[in-house]
Amino acid sequence: KAGVTQTPRYLIKTRGQQVTLSCSPISGHRSVSWYQQTPGQGLQFLFEYFSETQRNKGNFPGRFSGRQFSNSRSEMNVSTLELGDSALYLCASSAGHLTPNEQFFGPGTRLTVL
Amino acid sequence: AQTVTQSQPEMSVQEAETVTLSCTYDTSESDYYLFWYKQPPSRQMILVIRQEAYKQQNATENRFSVNFQKAAKSFSLKISDSQLGDAAMYFCAYRQGAQKLVFGQGTRLTINP
Repeated sequence: KAGVTQTPRYLIKTRGQQVTLSCSPISGHRSVSWYQQTPGQGLQFLFEYFSETQRNKGNFPGRFSGRQFSNSRSEMNVSTLELGDSALYLCASSAGHLTPNEQFFGPGTRLTVL
Repeated sequence: AQTVTQSQPEMSVQEAETVTLSCTYDTSESDYYLFWYKQPPSRQMILVIRQEAYKQQNATENRFSVNFQKAAKSFSLKISDSQLGDAAMYFCAYRQGAQKLVFGQGTRLTINP
């Protein structure tokens, strides 16, 4: 079974631009979660989608948004990029959105904002 | 809000020896799950071990085991017979019900040959 894939793997943008990151979960998984990883703040939860509905949301400004499609693929969008948005963005998928289901992580997208 | 604390930013151990990584957490819930994740330099986060709070028996996965002290809200990871491939960032994480995963700040583990 193919693992979680994220595209692109690396991205360079300038302040004020917007960016869209993509995550394809493991086949059959319906839950997708997004995390931001930075040296200063560590791993922080952005949001979780299950069956095309946002189930949980972290404490991020409205510039961060996401969606999930009927095939469970998910996209994350960041508008009006700021320097502080530079981070590794990780996507994780699981079969359901309840605790016993293990989350499988993708390799991440490294976003650099100049 | 739940918090997870890893007090050791860095640890090192000689190959083949045993090392213990510490983790404490804060919660008022009685039913939750705790995890240890490994993130090697390749950046792919991998689940190492999972502990259900309602289980008194400590989880074990091959060379990896935990010491779960529910009353003390402590969840340490012991790695036996350390191998070079164990070098990575290790994250302790907490999840209650259908809520988000809450991660600690991580411990960078170095294995000395």
